[in-house]
Amino acid sequence: GAVVSQHPSWVICKSGTSVKIECRSLDFQATTMFWYRQFPKQSLMLMATSNEGSKATYEQGVEKDKFLINHASLTLSTLTVTSAHPEDSSFYICSARLLENEQFFGPGTRLTVL
Amino acid sequence: GQNIDQPTEMTATEGAIVQINCTYQTSGFNGLFWYQQHAGEAPTFLSYNVLDGLEEKGRFSSFLSRSKGYSYLLLKELQMKDSASYLCAVKDSNYQLIWGAGTKLIIKP
Repeated sequence: GAVVSQHPSWVICKSGTSVKIECRSLDFQATTMFWYRQFPKQSLMLMATSNEGSKATYEQGVEKDKFLINHASLTLSTLTVTSAHPEDSSFYICSARLLENEQFFGPGTRLTVL
Repeated sequence: GQNIDQPTEMTATEGAIVQINCTYQTSGFNGLFWYQQHAGEAPTFLSYNVLDGLEEKGRFSSFLSRSKGYSYLLLKELQMKDSASYLCAVKDSNYQLIWGAGTKLIIKP
């Protein structure tokens, strides 16, 4: 099946620094990728939809200046958490769309902000 | 390698019961999740099992056997709105999520 990878798998950073998370579709091209946060009660919250070559579409309540998304190629989308704070500590998951109703999920990135 | 297996597609009748199986082979185990995803929407959380046994939540139940590397999601009194994809995911020893490809459930009247 299609494979999506994320890098890094975990990161610890100091408050105020920026962290970049990469999402790659390894064996297919994805014009659309999605970024989610997984909350302690296990629900996935969609943060934004990333379209190759255009600006990302953010969900209501998600600060676009804080969570910068770049989808520069058909196999790579990046999420940069700028000026991270402890409340940004979470598990970030990306997914890539292969067909209209077929999404493949990455393994997630655990971010801990001290 | 790490692997999650679940059927690609299942069909069931409205009002009936359906069981969606998930088998896994992962390096370590830190819990198994079931999510429901309607076409074009974000997945919604259904259940989380970390201990063996059955967890019941209304019409949905999830079972886990860690020794067998096996889980199932049981849906009772099926409704047309239950037509969706059901995703099984396991957190491995590094707390990374290993995802199944999803089971597309089709409900017929």
